[in-house]
Amino acid sequence: EPEVTQTPSHQVTQMGQEVILRCVPISNHLYFYWYRQILGQKVEFLVSFYNNEISEKSEIFDDQFSVERPDGSNFTLKIRSTKLEDSAMYFCASSVQGSQPQHFGDGTRLSIL
Amino acid sequence: GESVGLHLPTLSVQEGDNSIINCAYSNSASDYFIWYKQESGKGPQFIIDIRSNMDKRQGQRVTVLLNKTVKHLSLQIAATQPGDSAVYFCADLSGNTPLVFGKGTRLSVIA
Repeated sequence: EPEVTQTPSHQVTQMGQEVILRCVPISNHLYFYWYRQILGQKVEFLVSFYNNEISEKSEIFDDQFSVERPDGSNFTLKIRSTKLEDSAMYFCASSVQGSQPQHFGDGTRLSIL
Repeated sequence: GESVGLHLPTLSVQEGDNSIINCAYSNSASDYFIWYKQESGKGPQFIIDIRSNMDKRQGQRVTVLLNKTVKHLSLQIAATQPGDSAVYFCADLSGNTPLVFGKGTRLSVIA
């Protein structure tokens, strides 16, 4: 069964450094998403992306965050200057349409020191 | 504000028993719900969905019930197995808006 893959599985970064989290969505999916989950808390929406542009973003997704689909297969989340509170699991998801269930990757655990 | 929440943070059941996980929502316009299962160290995994034109939907060993009158839905797992141990989330995907997740219920299966 096709799946969403994320790399790396764990990223440790010094505060203030830039970090790029990578995702390969399911190949025939058109909608892409990033979510985060702080330890012990709910999964929170960050951003959705369709047709090479952001379609919606939450208040968490401030100017420090950006997304990109640099080629036909990858979807990346960049945090420009990481803060301690950015430590969380980051999940990528994709769906065929916006109204269809989203399929999630297994996440990247981001630890900011 | 609008939210999707669960009644119990933890649920323990004996292997072989049926499990019922409940979820309440507050937006009466919500019309599409999804149940996800999240095992330790993994991302949320789609289990089953239901739209508001249905009261009940069945999958393999799972049934979702939707009561629009009281804005409540439940996930029933028949003959619960150790592999069902996970955190279960209900999520609202109404109107093409981003998924809104509840806090999750941790299901523990006692062998």
